[in-house]
Amino acid sequence: EVQLVQSAGEVKKPGQSLLISCRTSGYDFTNYWISWVRQVPGKGLEWLGIIFPGDSDTRYSPSFQGQVTFSADKSNSTAYLQLSRLKASDTAIFYCARHKVDADDALDIWGQGTMVTVSS
Amino acid sequence: SSVLTQPPSVSVAPGQMAKITCEGTGIGRKSVHWYQQRPGQAPVMVLYDDSDRPSGITDRISGFNSGNVATLTISRAEAGDEADYYCQVWDSSNDHRGVFGGGTKLTVL
Repeated sequence: EVQLVQSAGEVKKPGQSLLISCRTSGYDFTNYWISWVRQVPGKGLEWLGIIFPGDSDTRYSPSFQGQVTFSADKSNSTAYLQLSRLKASDTAIFYCARHKVDADDALDIWGQGTMVTVSS
Repeated sequence: SSVLTQPPSVSVAPGQMAKITCEGTGIGRKSVHWYQQRPGQAPVMVLYDDSDRPSGITDRISGFNSGNVATLTISRAEAGDEADYYCQVWDSSNDHRGVFGGGTKLTVL
């Protein structure tokens, strides 16, 4: 069974950084793109960018460039999202999602989401 | 760049048909994917490539895409269909950017 299991929710203070993990299993981690998606509470889905774990090819949404960093560790089939210089407006649920096949394919398997709360 | 417009809400009576639209210039030339998100849960892919259903998704859900509008249709609506629905495309004209519609809340009255 294909699974994406994300790290637990966290509470951070403004200015701090955070690393969210997305541990995958049940498929070849190195051969499928992964997208990261943000959802502010009560709002819609926003695409942050993608990473191809096989070679760490990464593309960021212009709206989030500089605010987020993606990485992937092939040794433990885990993708990571780093959030820097957190602001209260970064309070959101962050999802990782596997692409069905190619970079322009649907997101067929999603992680359960990681709730990030930024508050002083 | 692509902008996808969905109605904020759609209501349907149990047993009736619901249609959720996703409008975008030339969307008919793109592959549209649809996701269902029930309250408190992660999104789930319910349609890909305009009209293909992944295994395990009810055949009451169907899709069509042409011109400037893609449509997700739910026939014989049930209480369990109540959720937010999002359309999504890839914008290859902008260094491969993912674009989501604003989402539609489906209420089964």
